[in-house]
Amino acid sequence: GDSVTQMEGPVTLSEEAFLTINCTYTATGYPSLFWYVQYPGEGLQLLLKATKADDKGSNKGFEATYRKETTSFHLEKGSVQVSDSAVYFCALRVTQGGSEKLVFGKGTKLTVNP
Amino acid sequence: EAGVVQSPRYKIIEKKQPVAFWCNPISGHNTLYWYLQNLGQGPELLIRYENEEAVDDSQLPKDRFSAERLKGVDSTLKIQPAELGDSAVYLCASSLVSVGPDTQYFGPGTRLTVL
Repeated sequence: GDSVTQMEGPVTLSEEAFLTINCTYTATGYPSLFWYVQYPGEGLQLLLKATKADDKGSNKGFEATYRKETTSFHLEKGSVQVSDSAVYFCALRVTQGGSEKLVFGKGTKLTVNP
Repeated sequence: EAGVVQSPRYKIIEKKQPVAFWCNPISGHNTLYWYLQNLGQGPELLIRYENEEAVDDSQLPKDRFSAERLKGVDSTLKIQPAELGDSAVYLCASSLVSVGPDTQYFGPGTRLTVL
């Protein structure tokens, strides 16, 4: 079935380091792809999205490009900050039984040290 | 604008006891979701409401779980009786029905511990 596999954490980086969190997916058809972020003690927030192949989603310095040929949607940021410490979830939107829903990966915990 | 509100934030109960979680969605959001998030996992959909109608409850374990959304606003998720394996975070989310599930707004969740 439809699924998302993302890089296992935790990931620990120093401030201003480059970040990549890998995400690959399995889906029938052409799903929309998302990255959600969960800061400590808060609910999940949509970080960015891409709805078709070669689209690039971006927000708060984060980017991810929808790669159909490699079924990937890797999250990147050129220079992380301590405030980026959170859990990041890759997700896809699928239609099952006439109903749409989100399928999430397991999450990757990022810790950025000063 | 207030976000999705959930209560309680934490709940500790003994197995076989009942428990209920409450969710107040963002004002005007017709669609409401309940998710289960086990430790180290991503959220998994339990049930989705469009107004007061449960349009997708295929993943809800109906032998012990129940949910309601009276008047199409607040919602309650209940477990009776709770089992050890129910220990998890229960997330509520809401969205405008016309926009689709990618613009879901999540609450902070209720962390349930069953002893």
